[in-house]
Amino acid sequence: DAGITQSPRHKVTETGTPVTLRCHQTENHRYMYWYRQDPGHGLRLIHYSYGVKDTDKGEVSDGYSVSRSKTEDFLLTLESATSSQTSVYFCAISEAGFSGYTFGSGTRLTVV
Amino acid sequence: AQKVTQAQTEISVVEKEDVTLDCVYETRDTTYYLFWYKQPPSGELVFLIRRNSFDEQNEISGRYSWNFQKSTSSFNFTITASQVVDSAVYFCALIPYNQGGKLIFGQGTELSVKP
Repeated sequence: DAGITQSPRHKVTETGTPVTLRCHQTENHRYMYWYRQDPGHGLRLIHYSYGVKDTDKGEVSDGYSVSRSKTEDFLLTLESATSSQTSVYFCAISEAGFSGYTFGSGTRLTVV
Repeated sequence: AQKVTQAQTEISVVEKEDVTLDCVYETRDTTYYLFWYKQPPSGELVFLIRRNSFDEQNEISGRYSWNFQKSTSSFNFTITASQVVDSAVYFCALIPYNQGGKLIFGQGTELSVKP
């Protein structure tokens, strides 16, 4: 059991359509994060959550929203996808923030 | 500013060579945590090490070793006798204590080990 799963693993969508990525954990960790990975930028934080219904913005939050209605699920929504949002998206969980993260396997999103 | 810099974008070595990946960080916090992650070609992110700012002891794990120097704000990673399976992108990362547990990544260093 991986403890953290992302779905879908791959998605191709058209510009202007809404897209939701799901992160699901079975570890009951308090903290959950969404990052995007782009060449030359490493991983950059989009949004994070420190509890149910408690979320905050990261470094590159424009064009993204999140929701966390229960501990195990953290959803990332692109309200109207753009080509600049083509990326690999990683979800991560952490028990106490400083203890380090466990990452999901990533979602490769292509916006055409 | 809170920042991690990995100046080496790509490194190529021949198997059995030693290789050092550089990491320089910036933070205003006196308490912080440093990490290294490995991303093999399959794409997952694999945790390698965590170090807190109060522990400057170097660490060795098999062929891997880490040199933490607060005086130069560096946390370098050395692979001894590199192997083809070490080929990956390596990320250095920082969590400053007053940043709510947010992990700040460097740009990554792509290591290619050739047979």
